[in-house]
Amino acid sequence: QVQVQESGPGLVEPSETLSLTCSVSGYSISSGSYWGWIRQPPGKGPEWIGSFFHGGSTQYNPSLKSRVTISGDTSKGQFFLKLSSVTAADTAVYYCARTQWGFSYYIDVWGKGTTVTVSS
Amino acid sequence: QSALTQPPSASGSPGQSVTISCTGTSSDLGVYNYVSWYQQHPGKAPKLMIYGVSKRPSGVPDRFSGSKSGKTASLTVSGLQADDEADYYCSSYADSNSLVFGGGTKLTVL
Repeated sequence: QVQVQESGPGLVEPSETLSLTCSVSGYSISSGSYWGWIRQPPGKGPEWIGSFFHGGSTQYNPSLKSRVTISGDTSKGQFFLKLSSVTAADTAVYYCARTQWGFSYYIDVWGKGTTVTVSS
Repeated sequence: QSALTQPPSASGSPGQSVTISCTGTSSDLGVYNYVSWYQQHPGKAPKLMIYGVSKRPSGVPDRFSGSKSGKTASLTVSGLQADDEADYYCSSYADSNSLVFGGGTKLTVL
């Protein structure tokens, strides 16, 4: 059974870079699926951040594209999120997930989420 | 890239049916048949309930069904049960090779 788990700092200072890691178990990230990040601000709906394919293809939310980098390390079964120049508006629960992409578009495996607060 | 529009709340009594709508634009839901629905209980991660407008993943009861007409998609929950009380979010593939979500509907089982 595929499982994903987020890890990283729960507090980030304004203007700094938010960095999170997602560890995948029960499935190889090089086996053909896309992997991505979604965030959910308090009391709001989810917001898709972006996805990546182990071959190097990435897709990003146009509103975040200038600040986001998603990459992976297939040897470790991990993928990563970097979001630069954060502000209080980036405070949210961040989820990593397996994303179906290409023949259909949806998120079928979600992590439990990690809360990230941007504050000094 | 605007969020899809959902009613903030919906409700029904046990055993009844309730339908939640999700309205998009000609840049997302109106032109793509890639609508998905997610159920989220408080403090939990979202769970996939419907994908490809009307397909159910393994393990999701057939009480949950999806449809689409024009720029509006719908999720119908039949035979309401107490555990169906949750937030529901729609999502659609959109131009710019991206995903967009709705703002969510809180379903209350009376």
